[in-house]
Amino acid sequence: RKEVEQDPGPFNVPEGATVAFNCTYSNSASQSFFWYRQDCRKEPKLLMSVYSSGNEDGRFTAQLNRASQYISLLIRDSKLSDSATYLCVVRRNNNDMRFGAGTRLTVKP
Amino acid sequence: GAGVSQTPSNKVTEKGKYVELRCDPISGHTALYWYRQSLGQGPEFLIYFQGTGAADDSGLPNDRFFAVRPEGSVSTLKIQRTERGDSAVYLCASGRGQGETQYFGPGTRLLVL
Repeated sequence: RKEVEQDPGPFNVPEGATVAFNCTYSNSASQSFFWYRQDCRKEPKLLMSVYSSGNEDGRFTAQLNRASQYISLLIRDSKLSDSATYLCVVRRNNNDMRFGAGTRLTVKP
Repeated sequence: GAGVSQTPSNKVTEKGKYVELRCDPISGHTALYWYRQSLGQGPEFLIYFQGTGAADDSGLPNDRFFAVRPEGSVSTLKIQRTERGDSAVYLCASGRGQGETQYFGPGTRLLVL
């Protein structure tokens, strides 16, 4: 079993839709959590960190449930430019980041 | 300012050959990481440098892989006796320090024929 599991998708949604991605992690010692975005043939870029209290950045909301070892990302009012692969990332200590395989999102007009 | 740069952007080699991949981190970043990403997968951790020393090399798959960072800035990932299974995108990331946000370079696409 992989340490970080994500639904690979693809998720195909119309513009303006709300879409949610889920991620589970197996190592309870994980300390920090992130969502990265990766466009096709590009490098991953940090989208947002995920905090236990939940956090929001514009149309993006991230949630963490440590008891269930579950992380989520909600995107509201999807834009065409949101089309990308979203990578769930957990960090066990200060340097060891583990990435999920990513969830692919396509937003269509 | 300049981001992380990696060279070459693409590398095609034959099985059994030796390759070197270079990473130039963001100026002033002391932490440097190498990852490998295969098609349809997320990046897989290989090695982490803090300054000149390899603080964690637990992700290197075998002794054909080696990395150096002699002056605490540029790093080189070296792969000996390449195998077809080494084909992947090799990503480098740097950060201000341990635990800080990692910024990725564009990667080197390695194809071993």
